[in-house]
Amino acid sequence: GAGVSQSPRYKVAKRGQDVALRCDPISGHVSLFWYQQALGQGPEFLTYFQNEAQLDKSGLPSDRFFAERPEGSVSTLKIQRTQQEDSAVYLCASSPILGNEQFFGPGTRLTVL
Amino acid sequence: AQSVSQHNHHVILSEAASLELGCNYSYGGTVNLFWYVQYPGQHLQLLLKYFSGDPLVKGIKGFEAEFIKSKFSFNLRKPSVQWSDTAEYFCAVNPPNAGNNRKLIWGLGTSLAVNP
Repeated sequence: GAGVSQSPRYKVAKRGQDVALRCDPISGHVSLFWYQQALGQGPEFLTYFQNEAQLDKSGLPSDRFFAERPEGSVSTLKIQRTQQEDSAVYLCASSPILGNEQFFGPGTRLTVL
Repeated sequence: AQSVSQHNHHVILSEAASLELGCNYSYGGTVNLFWYVQYPGQHLQLLLKYFSGDPLVKGIKGFEAEFIKSKFSFNLRKPSVQWSDTAEYFCAVNPPNAGNNRKLIWGLGTSLAVNP
């Protein structure tokens, strides 16, 4: 079946612009995660949804970052007033309710100029 | 701070050489442990995982890992690497007491290059 998809794959933004990154998880997967991966680093946890409920947003670096999953399926990560330090690959992963393996999408590479 | 450490950031091997990549974590209690791999231009994918039971875990493509609780380690091994194993390897931990939140804490990754 289809895997996790993310769009856009690449995004270039001018400093101060708002961006929205989309994640389509595997159908039926209850859990959804967002991670940020800076160049040369491992992924860092941002936020976690179980269905439409955002149960953990402890990893969001500032109040400029906002994520939602209103119908428990597609999720959007929004970054307001982007800064250069926001440049990274944003990874989305989903997993079944009883499963522990996370299935990753290809990521969105955000470059803030 | 609680963390995941990968000791080797860049490894270069010749085909047929043996591989061992180190991973240590600093969480107490029961943890779930993972190794993920990212081949050039591809998504992160699971190599193997440990939750409980036999501490020697076998994964895909001939990889295995050994959980040593006393050393807080989960090292990845392969007896004979191939050129196609060239990739980035990440160790990750699902911290204890996280309930249904299966967030992963990651190491920095190890870049493996296998020369034909």
